[in-house]
Amino acid sequence: ETGVTQTPRHLVMGMTNKKSLKCEQHLGHNAMYWYKQSAKKPLELMFVYSLEERVENNSVPSRFSPECPNSSHLFLHLHTLQPEDSALYLCASSQDYTGAPETQYFGPGTRLLVL
Amino acid sequence: DQQVKQNSPSLSVQEGRISILNCDYTNSMFDYFLWYKKYPAEGPTFLISISSIKDKNEDGRFTVFLNKSAKHLSLHIVPSQPGDSAVYFCAGRPETSGSRLTFGEGTQLTVNP
Repeated sequence: ETGVTQTPRHLVMGMTNKKSLKCEQHLGHNAMYWYKQSAKKPLELMFVYSLEERVENNSVPSRFSPECPNSSHLFLHLHTLQPEDSALYLCASSQDYTGAPETQYFGPGTRLLVL
Repeated sequence: DQQVKQNSPSLSVQEGRISILNCDYTNSMFDYFLWYKKYPAEGPTFLISISSIKDKNEDGRFTVFLNKSAKHLSLHIVPSQPGDSAVYFCAGRPETSGSRLTFGEGTQLTVNP
């Protein structure tokens, strides 16, 4: 499989649940990103990993916990979420964090609903 | 503070006509701008970009214009095709920020046959 894949594609969870979103890239990239897109709002950058090291954390609440075990995989662990966390969560990767922005490739996203 | 704004949430155009999507920004440190296109159930894909030292970049049916003094850019699609129907995102990159992008809210373009 090529490109950036995300699982699951859809997720419904209660506020007390713990779940994880998975992202995998098959492009040999060194940087990976988590974005959140809420309805009628811009894509918001949440986290950036470069060479498996977190380089950005944009004031994201601790109920979101990223993990990058290797350069091909990125997880977003979710616990005790709120209904306002319902959104589309997009993963992206790029050749390098400091490289040309056109190299950022997105996955299809996980549509999350928190009840 | 939203640094990139796309004030039109939607735009409807007849096939064969020109589509013009607009984007305004506030951050004078942006040195690179990009347009992404997103179909339902897919992630955004890169469409076209422009450096802040240029005022126009063209790629086939797609042209991006940049007006730095007005902090405004636009994407022109001509002729528009039904397959162009998608959400279009404008994004800016602060200088020396590599791949880090700031996105607008997106504009839903519908091209009617």
